[in-house]
Amino acid sequence: EIVLTQSPGTLSLSPGERATLSCRASQSVSSSYLAWYQQKPGQAPRLLIYGASSRATGIPDRFSGSGSGTDFTLTISRLEPEDFAVYYCQQYGSSTGYTFGQGTKLEIK
Amino acid sequence: QVQLVQSGAEVKKPGASVKVSCKASGYTFTGYYMHWVRQAPGQGLEWMGWINPNSGGTNYAQKFQGRVTMTRDTSISTAYMELSRLRSDDTAVYYCASERGYCSSTSCFNWFDPWGQGTLVTVSS
Repeated sequence: EIVLTQSPGTLSLSPGERATLSCRASQSVSSSYLAWYQQKPGQAPRLLIYGASSRATGIPDRFSGSGSGTDFTLTISRLEPEDFAVYYCQQYGSSTGYTFGQGTKLEIK
Repeated sequence: QVQLVQSGAEVKKPGASVKVSCKASGYTFTGYYMHWVRQAPGQGLEWMGWINPNSGGTNYAQKFQGRVTMTRDTSISTAYMELSRLRSDDTAVYYCASERGYCSSTSCFNWFDPWGQGTLVTVSS
């Protein structure tokens, strides 16, 4: 099983600042099968990024994804108040199945 | 619009079983795999398995094999997840999620979207 480790566990920033969230895999994953989700309290996860760098429909362009191999990054260029939430990376491998990272909580400083 | 609507909260005793439903609308139910993901209180997301609504074929995470059964009723566009021999650590919100994706000339992509609203299952004596 591929383990995804997200860092930091908690990120404290102010609106307007830039957020950089990391997702590291225990072995190489296909970037086409790497996705990012946002989850707010009491809500289901929402798709942000698929294929490591493609924004889902309706996602603002302040959200961007990058990376390959074992290291992936979600960047939020200028934080809006509604961006404070928990973020998860997720991967799929034909022989390893589906796994999620443990999440990064983005909180208001 | 594309939507997944799940059944309501459940309270079960240890050793019992629970069956959660997920009704799809706004798209061809048999065209996309349905996954189940759970989230224990204050914890992260845990993938449980999928069902192919067209064939009924399933693939379960090793952790849940022998305890989970995923089924579907295509006549009402509904998927089901049944978990048996419940324990207190099965207390969680259970989500269904539709797998989407496509293949280009060079790569295939997939993701989970949309998700159901979640069903809280509480296991307590």
